[in-house]
Amino acid sequence: GAVVSQHPSWVICKSGTSVKIECRSLDFQATTMFWYRQFPKQSLMLMATSNEGSKATYEQGVEKDKFLINHASLTLSTLTVTSAHPEDSSFYICSARDRSGRGADTQYFGPGTRLTVL
Amino acid sequence: GDSVTQMEGPVTLSEEAFLTINCTYTATGYPSLFWYVQYPGEGLQLLLKATKADDKGSNKGFEATYRKETTSFHLEKGSVQVSDSAVYFCALSNAGGTSYGKLTFGQGTILTVHP
Repeated sequence: GAVVSQHPSWVICKSGTSVKIECRSLDFQATTMFWYRQFPKQSLMLMATSNEGSKATYEQGVEKDKFLINHASLTLSTLTVTSAHPEDSSFYICSARDRSGRGADTQYFGPGTRLTVL
Repeated sequence: GDSVTQMEGPVTLSEEAFLTINCTYTATGYPSLFWYVQYPGEGLQLLLKATKADDKGSNKGFEATYRKETTSFHLEKGSVQVSDSAVYFCALSNAGGTSYGKLTFGQGTILTVHP
């Protein structure tokens, strides 16, 4: 149980285009999902916290107009990188927290999406 | 704010060697502490956790004890295997205020185990 999927697993796009990444909790409902960014050989940096049915909360320094987050249901959150540029190339990881209280203090992570902007 | 500091890697060991990866933290209140593991090409997996002082988390032969007096949560394993080669992240979650549920990660330690 407690599986989180991400789609796509990797994507290559041209500079100036937008890319959407999906994060799904497959066997549980998640009122809260988190989006992280991981640079090579570095730690995960929290970008934003996504709550179902409400606006996402962005961490300081993260452009909310560039990284659009939509948490439309209890099992799906999306991250859209708008007008992507090469510096946006990174590994994007989502996680989800189970609303049922099972592992309430624990997040379950997706496998990540590798974004490369040419 | 909250922060986590891990020992710098990479760490290279021979099979059956003893492993220690140091982790110290700075946080207000009473955070929960975690170790996550990331195998090559995969997402993070929870390895173990401890939610209060003196708790010991354990899983797959790995152990870590929540030491509030030294603000530490060092990861240990008595005999590593080649399959333990991965990146290990120490993290904390602080339930206080607006920080609820957020994980703060250390920088990660790359472990390579040779046969």
